Amino acid sequence: GAGVSQSPSNKVTEKGKDVELRCDPISGHTALYWYRQSLGQGLEFLIYFQGNSAPDKSGLPSDRFSAERTGGSVSTLTIQRTQQEDSAVYLCASSLRGDGPADTQYFGPGTRLTVL
Amino acid sequence: AQSVTQLGSHVSVSEGALVLLRCNYSSSVPPYLFWYVQYPNQGLQLLLKYTSAATLVKGINGFEAEFKKSETSFHLTKPSAHMSDAAEYFCAVRSGGYQKVTFGTGTKLQVIP
Repeated sequence: GAGVSQSPSNKVTEKGKDVELRCDPISGHTALYWYRQSLGQGLEFLIYFQGNSAPDKSGLPSDRFSAERTGGSVSTLTIQRTQQEDSAVYLCASSLRGDGPADTQYFGPGTRLTVL
Repeated sequence: AQSVTQLGSHVSVSEGALVLLRCNYSSSVPPYLFWYVQYPNQGLQLLLKYTSAATLVKGINGFEAEFKKSETSFHLTKPSAHMSDAAEYFCAVRSGGYQKVTFGTGTKLQVIP
């Protein structure tokens, strides 16, 4: 079946604008993750959704960042009033359950965000 | 708390030489450990994972890693590097049933012909 897909693949925006990044997880996967990958940095955890549970938002860097997951499937990461330091690749991953040793995260190709 | 440290942000090897990418972890409970590979402009792909079944784990593309509890290490190796191995490699740790996976900062592997 299809893997994790993300759109757009590239997004260029002006400072102060809002952006929405979309993630379509693998069908049947209950867990969904967002990460940020900045140049020269590792993956920075942003937010985690598991089924109908309240999301783990502990990684969101500021209140300009928010995410939702509708119907337990598609997720949208929204960045309001973008700043230049928000420029990065935003990666989405999904996994079957979200816990347990057999659970593997499958990553999408990412959205490269550039804030001018 | 859990963390992972990758020694060396850049590693260069000659084609055909041994590949050794280092990863040390910190975890308060027995960990699950992962290695991912990222090719340019692509997402991360799982290479292999340690889930306590066996300390020597074999993955795709000829890579393997050995879990050493006494050294808190999970180094990635491949006997003979290929040009196609040039990519960035990430080590990651999950502590027991804790859902969050913590990633290292990555090691870029360059293979010299």
